Amino acid sequence: RKEVEQDPGPFNVPEGATVAFNCTYSNSASQSFFWYRQDCRKEPKLLMSVYSSGNEDGRFTAQLNRASQYISLLIRDSKLSDSATYLCVVNMFSTGNQFYFGTGTSLTVIP
Amino acid sequence: DAGVTQSPTHLIKTRGQQVTLRCSPISGHKSVSWYQQVLGQGPQFIFQYYEKEERGRGNFPDRFSARQFPNYSSELNVNALLLGDSALYLCASSLQGPQGGYTFGSGTRLTVV
Repeated sequence: RKEVEQDPGPFNVPEGATVAFNCTYSNSASQSFFWYRQDCRKEPKLLMSVYSSGNEDGRFTAQLNRASQYISLLIRDSKLSDSATYLCVVNMFSTGNQFYFGTGTSLTVIP
Repeated sequence: DAGVTQSPTHLIKTRGQQVTLRCSPISGHKSVSWYQQVLGQGPQFIFQYYEKEERGRGNFPDRFSARQFPNYSSELNVNALLLGDSALYLCASSLQGPQGGYTFGSGTRLTVV
């Protein structure tokens, strides 16, 4: 089983739609959680950290469910510029730090 | 302020050769990590360094090694290159140490022929 699993999509949604991505992780000892955005042939950019209490940044809301070992990202009022690949990242500390990326979920927002 | 800078941006090597990739973190960032990304996949964690010490290692063979210098810059070395090592190699730095989110450089694209 992969450490982090994501539905690769693609998700094709109209402008203004609300879309949600989920990501599951296998190790309950995981400590830090993040969502990154990656545009085609570019480096990943940090979108937001994810906390158990949930956190919001404008149109973006991230949630962490430790009991079920999943994190989610909700995008409201989708814009064309939101089209990208969204990567979830889990940091687990065991014998050292281990950072695991999901394979990414592709989003295309259609006019 | 400059972001994370990596050099070279592109590189072509022959099987069996050795390669060194370089990374300069954002000024003040003491944590650097390295990732390998092949097309269609998420980045795979290779190493993490904090305060010049290795703090994490991914599931890569011993042909891969790295170090961090007193100025917090870092090098990734790969020996005995294989065709399968062709990928985008990403370096990222963090101000907050191992628990923080990372800022990525634009990567070095390595092609092994």
